[in-house]
Amino acid sequence: DTAVSQTPKYLVTQMGNDKSIKCEQNLGHDTMYWYKQDSKKFLKIMFSYNNKELIINETVPNRFSPKSPDKAHLNLHINSLELGDSAVYFCASSQAEYEQYFGPGTRLTVT
Amino acid sequence: GQQVMQIPQYQHVQEGEDFTTYCNSSTTLSNIQWYKQRPGGHPVFLIQLVKSGEVKKQKRLTFQFGEAKKNSSLHITATQTTDVGTYFCAVPNTGNQFYFGTGTSLTVIP
Repeated sequence: DTAVSQTPKYLVTQMGNDKSIKCEQNLGHDTMYWYKQDSKKFLKIMFSYNNKELIINETVPNRFSPKSPDKAHLNLHINSLELGDSAVYFCASSQAEYEQYFGPGTRLTVT
Repeated sequence: GQQVMQIPQYQHVQEGEDFTTYCNSSTTLSNIQWYKQRPGGHPVFLIQLVKSGEVKKQKRLTFQFGEAKKNSSLHITATQTTDVGTYFCAVPNTGNQFYFGTGTSLTVIP
């Protein structure tokens, strides 16, 4: 079984559209994350979420919103997509501040 | 906010040569993590260092945490083609969040 899974693996869409990326972890971890990795490989934290607290990195536009239906899922919804949103998005999970397990990534291309 | 500098950004080595990447923080850290990302893959956890001056080894990889807990290094002895990838350090912020360093991309020439 895959520990952290994401769907879709690839997402191509036009500017202005709204899209969602799903993430699920079966590790029983209490914290989940979303990261954005740009073309220069910089890996930036966007959100972290556990049962009690959502922490949003201050540089993340409010067009991005995480939604967690339960402890094992943290989906990423993006409104009004822009060209600059093109990147690879990684979901991850951890138990407290211990090692993070990353999903395979979703390559988003906005045209 | 948290600043994490990682050097070098790129490193090309001949197979069999050694490789080192350095991570420097502007603040004292409670711990530091290291990850490896293969081309086209996702980051994979390597190790977490917690104690001042700590040195840990994993086969040909040696990880060190500075005495002041503001810097760390990853050293690979006798690189192999399987070592190719980008190596990231990650430092903790609030709420279990981690800031990742800028990464060092390692190319190993056979």
